[in-house]
Amino acid sequence: KNEVEQSPQNLTAQEGEFITINCSYSVGISALHWLQQHPGGGIVSLFMLSSGKKKHGRLIATINIQEKHSSLHITASHPRDSAVYICAVKNTNTGNQFYFGTGTSLTVIP
Amino acid sequence: GAGVSQSPSNKVTEKGKDVELRCDPISGHTALYWYRQSLGQGLEFLIYFQGNSAPDKSGLPSDRFSAERTGGSVSTLTIQRTQQEDSAVYLCASSLAPRTRTDTQYFGPGTRLTVL
Repeated sequence: KNEVEQSPQNLTAQEGEFITINCSYSVGISALHWLQQHPGGGIVSLFMLSSGKKKHGRLIATINIQEKHSSLHITASHPRDSAVYICAVKNTNTGNQFYFGTGTSLTVIP
Repeated sequence: GAGVSQSPSNKVTEKGKDVELRCDPISGHTALYWYRQSLGQGLEFLIYFQGNSAPDKSGLPSDRFSAERTGGSVSTLTIQRTQQEDSAVYLCASSLAPRTRTDTQYFGPGTRLTVL
């Protein structure tokens, strides 16, 4: 059983659509991260959340600690948003270890 | 300023050989992580360094894997007697933690290791 589950696994959207990617986790966490991995492998950290909501440009990330759930939203999606989005949690019980979801592969079609 | 750099970018080796992978973190970042991403798999935590503290080695898959960090900066991940299942992209990340409350990690480009 994975400590972190993401859905959907794959997502195709038309340019301009509103996109939601979900992350559920089963462990106590001190922080949750959303990462973006572009074709070619480079990884960029998008958000680090411990509560509430954060917004950066067209990206919004929310977390519900009680429900152990986080969502990443992309408004007005663009082909350059095409990437794999990865949810990662830092487990309060295992110190420094991060657990990662398997990622959501997003393709935005012009 | 410069980001996290890793070398080599690609490494092809024969089964049974030892390999060394290098990570140069962002200057001033006290925390350094090594991860592994196997083909079709998610990221897997390997090891964590924080300042001069003893490293957290809880993610290392076997005793063939070791890592060191010299002078609190450059880190080397060593895999001895490589096996085909070691083939993966090895990623390094650094962060400012714990001096700041944020734990944003900055990732290097990775080293793609292929064991023949």
